[in-house]
Amino acid sequence: DTEVTQTPKHLVMGMTNKKSLKCEQHMGHRAMYWYKQKAKKPPELMFVYSYEKLSINESVPSRFSPECPNSSLLNLHLHALQPEDSALYLCASSQDQVGTGRYEQYFGPGTRLTVT
Amino acid sequence: AQKVTQAQTEISVVEKEDVTLDCVYETRDTTYYLFWYKQPPSGELVFLIRRNSFDEQNEISGRYSWNFQKSTSSFNFTITASQVVDSAVYFCALSEAYTGTASKLTFGTGTRLQVTL
Repeated sequence: DTEVTQTPKHLVMGMTNKKSLKCEQHMGHRAMYWYKQKAKKPPELMFVYSYEKLSINESVPSRFSPECPNSSLLNLHLHALQPEDSALYLCASSQDQVGTGRYEQYFGPGTRLTVT
Repeated sequence: AQKVTQAQTEISVVEKEDVTLDCVYETRDTTYYLFWYKQPPSGELVFLIRRNSFDEQNEISGRYSWNFQKSTSSFNFTITASQVVDSAVYFCALSEAYTGTASKLTFGTGTRLQVTL
């Protein structure tokens, strides 16, 4: 089973709200990723977790706060977002927990976020 | 720095036509990995193929085939007898190897393929 699930599918939030995006995989992968994708652009890497520890933070603003409670779950906590943060947020996982680059990433369906 | 170029922004074909999506990459690594992903309108990126830098064999999977040529740094993707369900954005990506505790994908800008009846 190569499935990554994400909830919710759609989210509308105001600039003062706090919300969380959730991601889950049961493939035994120990590397998990958050990406942001704007319309007609490729995905942009935000964070990488390896063995539940944050390995890469691509200089993401602190209003985005990732969390990896266990090896199957990945959360993205959102607070005080701006309208320009509206995008598709994709979660992915892979076997590549040691950074060889050789393994494909499996993506979830994404959460379409609108900030009003 | 790594770079992936997909020069074709949009391609429109009529069903049953063959279509080739181009991908050119740049890297200083001797070991690297190339990928193709499909993103249908639903939004999920679907993994199609992985190729490592030591394996220049072309690959065929049903109507899909891939041509990897190190000499020209290209990894092109051909769909034979295209179908409406092939309509999607296709991304070529290059993986950095041995970056420590995590790897990163460099994506091309994508090619939007529209297949009409």
